[in-house]
Amino acid sequence: DAGITQSPRHKVTETGTPVTLRCHQTENHRYMYWYRQDPGHGLRLIHYSYGVKDTDKGEVSDGYSVSRSKTEDFLLTLESATSSQTSVYFCAIRGDSSNQPQHFGDGTRLSIL
Amino acid sequence: AQTVTQSQPEMSVQEAETVTLSCTYDTSESDYYLFWYKQPPSRQMILVIRQEAYKQQNATENRFSVNFQKAAKSFSLKISDSQLGDAAMYFCAYFSGGSNYKLTFGKGTLLTVNP
Repeated sequence: DAGITQSPRHKVTETGTPVTLRCHQTENHRYMYWYRQDPGHGLRLIHYSYGVKDTDKGEVSDGYSVSRSKTEDFLLTLESATSSQTSVYFCAIRGDSSNQPQHFGDGTRLSIL
Repeated sequence: AQTVTQSQPEMSVQEAETVTLSCTYDTSESDYYLFWYKQPPSRQMILVIRQEAYKQQNATENRFSVNFQKAAKSFSLKISDSQLGDAAMYFCAYFSGGSNYKLTFGKGTLLTVNP
């Protein structure tokens, strides 16, 4: 199994509070991704990284920011959480070869009350 | 923009029977990759099978095989000899190198396996 750890696994917080989710990998992979999963929508890309300090937006990036200061960690921050950001968040990684698939972490269930 | 469509929100199959899940996609790229992921109730995202667009031969992994029709932009998943453990949500997904390998997912098909 790909070495991906997401933390926390579950979190409940209140509207307006800041939240940071962490994705840690032990594979030394270049690419890292954050998705959210909501019923009826599948998985949608929030932000991704193609190297240390190299990040870009996905299709649902509003209200989220990311940082990648070292290869192994990719942080997703909700600056001021809203109830619409209640979701399951997945991190994924992939290697450099063109045919490499993405491998996923176990997800973080985030509830914003 | 690339889109992936799974037209069957739910499917069911009897244990030991065969079922086919449908997926179509839209792209203007010529070099891309297609995937099927399985998500059981445990929430894990598990790679089932992948297909490179430049390969004409359909991919096969044990009981799982695909029917890749490039001209029709169709990528269906066939599960043979269905088992109770196959019950899950199945997602079809696409990426191309030109997009930094960002995955675009379909909305999923929930597969129920009846004993």
